[in-house]
Amino acid sequence: QLQLQESGPGLVKPSETLSLTCTVSGGSITSSTYYWGWIRQPPGKGLEWIGRIYYSGSTYYNPSLKSRVTISVDTSKNQFSLKLSSVTAADTAVYYCVSLNYYYYYMDVWGKGTTVTVSS
Amino acid sequence: QSALTQPASVSGSPGQSITISCTGTSSDVGGYNYVSWYQQHPGKAPKLMIYEVTNRPSGVSNRFSGSKSGNTASLTISGLQAEDEADYYCSSYTSSSTLFYVFGTGTKVTVL
Repeated sequence: QLQLQESGPGLVKPSETLSLTCTVSGGSITSSTYYWGWIRQPPGKGLEWIGRIYYSGSTYYNPSLKSRVTISVDTSKNQFSLKLSSVTAADTAVYYCVSLNYYYYYMDVWGKGTTVTVSS
Repeated sequence: QSALTQPASVSGSPGQSITISCTGTSSDVGGYNYVSWYQQHPGKAPKLMIYEVTNRPSGVSNRFSGSKSGNTASLTISGLQAEDEADYYCSSYTSSSTLFYVFGTGTKVTVL
């Protein structure tokens, strides 16, 4: 059964780069069935789509974050990663990694989420 | 980013049925059968409840059902139970040139 687990620092200073990794277990990141994505949820607010990547490396980013976001994939480690640069307090959120069905655009597996706080 | 519109809150008594609406446009909800619904309990990750408008994943109670009419999708919970109290989000693929995927604004379901 596919499982996803986020990892990375829980505290990031303003203007620095947020870096998170998602480890995929119970399946292969090279599966043709999935995109791999990142979603965030600020405290008390709704879900925001950050971006997604296919195992081939093709990416799509939310236009509102595009200038600061990089998502990459490491097939040898069965992992994909998120980098968000020049963070501010507005980037404080729970960050989730997800598997997005390639054909029908639904997220069937979510990581448990990791809280990232931006503060000096 | 243009979100799909959901009511902020919906409530019902145990055993009743409630419906949550999700309104978009012909570029998303109305144009494709790629609407999905997620349940989120406090402090937990969202959970897929409905995909492709009407389909339930294995393990999801048949008390949950989805439908669509025009640009509005709906999630119905029948036989409301205390454990159904949670936040619910709809989502859809979008053909917008600047977007790929869009979420709803979220609905808090309260069991009275």
